Parts: sequence; C-alpha cells; structure tokens
Amino acid sequence: AQTVTQSQPEMSVQEAETVTLSCTYDTSESDYYLFWYKQPPSRQMILVIRQEAYKQQNATENRFSVNFQKAAKSFSLKISDSQLGDAAMYFCAYRSARRGAQKLVFGQGTRLTINP
Amino acid sequence: GAGVSQSPRYKVAKRGQDVALRCDPISGHVSLFWYQQALGQGPEFLTYFQNEAQLDKSGLPSDRFFAERPEGSVSTLKIQRTQQEDSAVYLCASRGPGKGANVLTFGAGSRLTVL
Repeated sequence: AQTVTQSQPEMSVQEAETVTLSCTYDTSESDYYLFWYKQPPSRQMILVIRQEAYKQQNATENRFSVNFQKAAKSFSLKISDSQLGDAAMYFCAYRSARRGAQKLVFGQGTRLTINP
Repeated sequence: GAGVSQSPRYKVAKRGQDVALRCDPISGHVSLFWYQQALGQGPEFLTYFQNEAQLDKSGLPSDRFFAERPEGSVSTLKIQRTQQEDSAVYLCASRGPGKGANVLTFGAGSRLTVL
C-alpha cells in the first residue's frame, strides 16, 4: 500500500519570505500523480499544485512550485513571497495512475504560519 | 451547483444515535468520494461512487457505516449507533468525467461530535 509522510507538523515563515514543505512517499508503482492541497480554517480543501510522475519538469503555479525527485520519492512544495493568506494546513497526496485506482492517499499535514 | 455542498456543517450526536450526512456534488460530476478526517490528521478514504455504483468501499471502518447515491447525484453517508471514535470531519469530494489527474473538488465538510 502507498504511504505519504510529511515530517514537519508545523512550519512558520516571515511574510514575503520563501518556505519549503517536505513530503516523501512510498510506492512500487512507476506512474502516479502527486498533489498539494491547502486546507484553511474553513476546512475546504483547495488544490494548490499537481504533478504527473511521468513528467520530469517540476510543476509551477504562480508563487507555488514543487521539487519532484522521483528516484528519492520526494515531492516538496516551495512557496515564494509568502502572504498572510497562505496560512493553512497543507497536505501532500498521492494517487495511483493504475486503471480503476481512484482514491487519494494523504499525508498527516503541515501547519503553516505566516508571521507579519 | 457551483461547488460541493455538504450538510449539516456541524452535528452533535449522543453515543448510540444514528446520523446522516448529505453531500450535493457539482452538477455533472460522475465520481464522488467520502473521506474521514480525524482532528489533526490527514483525510482518510472511506468510499467511492461512479454515478450510482459504489465501486470501492474498502475504507469504511465498520458495518455501522453505510453510504448511498441512489440517483447518481446526491449522496448520503449514514453512521449507525455512533461511537466516540466516529467524531471527525467527514469530507465529500467530486470529480468530472475523463482520465488523468483530474482534480477533486472538496466540500467544506460535516463535523461530527459524538458525546
């Protein structure tokens, strides 16, 4: 079974600085998808960024980018120019690309605090 | 609708009561998922529907948990004889048709507290 590990329960960063959240995963599969979700206090999970494992190029969405290291099974999220609105729980998630596989496997989450 | 709607947002139940949680997915989304999120943890998969068919219920923790989606749109998660360990946020998510890394859209969840 696949597992996702986020080793940083909490992180904090000064506003306008850069922060990196770590995620590692364990799988025997070669094709899969990886995601970072943000969960603010309102509880609604919002997709931040996604990566297809077959793509070598790291995904980027505005101030958010990932460092995808397939051999190391590592998928970290970098947030540049941190803003107060970035404060939330961040979850890394894995989904198999195998036909019929549908569920997301989530990590335990990292609480990100932005200091003004 | 524009998003995934869940009700109630908050539910307090006495141990042993039955509860029903409702999910109204985005119109046209064929896939619907239920997740359970305990306090301070990541969501854990409960069950998955494609239209009205429940294709995966491997995450349901016991036979007290039951989910249905009779007409392929609204879904209900029912928990019978609630226990304190059932206290959690129950998240519903839906996804449109097509393959690939299509995005799940989540609702705001229903927080269940069992006293």
